Amino acid sequence: QKEVEQNSGPLSVPEGAIASLNCTYSDRGSQSFFWYRQYSGKSPELIMFIYSNGDKEDGRFTAQLNKASQYVSLLIRDSQPSDSATYLCAVLSGGSYIPTFGRGTSLIVHP
Amino acid sequence: NAGVMQNPRHLVRRRGQEARLRCSPMKGHSHVYWYRQLPEEGLKFMVYLQKENIIDESGMPKERFSAEFPKEGPSILRIQQVVRGDSAAYFCASSQGGSNTGELFFGEGSRLTVL
Repeated sequence: QKEVEQNSGPLSVPEGAIASLNCTYSDRGSQSFFWYRQYSGKSPELIMFIYSNGDKEDGRFTAQLNKASQYVSLLIRDSQPSDSATYLCAVLSGGSYIPTFGRGTSLIVHP
Repeated sequence: NAGVMQNPRHLVRRRGQEARLRCSPMKGHSHVYWYRQLPEEGLKFMVYLQKENIIDESGMPKERFSAEFPKEGPSILRIQQVVRGDSAAYFCASSQGGSNTGELFFGEGSRLTVL
């Protein structure tokens, strides 16, 4: 059973702070890792993906991957109230076409 | 709108009725995924289809649930004899090919309420 674990939160941070969202996964054969953002009542949208160990930066977002520890994280710098949403971690195993999603972490950025 | 289209957005059914949820993938996409989301839970995979083929239905309940993606028309997720536990948001996602890149484009979801 492939599992993707996230703390459901909510994670509350002040505006302008760094929000750190974490995800662990059970399948060592996992090769691709994704972060989706889902606003309340809306559909998930892809915001970041990472395939290699290390950091990947895109604007205010940084994804970090450590395959040895089976851990992937998302950092949001200069958090804004508009970043308040649920962030879903998704993992794709090698040879699979079906991403496995975590239950998501609720982020609240307060002014 | 070239995005993934789902309808109905909201559906109310009484126990024992049938629910049909429809999904038109993004233009140019030939692969469709259905996921179910319960309140405070993540997305649970149900079924993965290509045109006229079910590729993987390992997440589908063995009874009452079926899915199709005909040559013409939208993909349909069908739930027969609905029960209260079927109440959830059902999301459809599409990809251009098999999502070996993991990037899925989601529709707005169909929210089923069973009374």
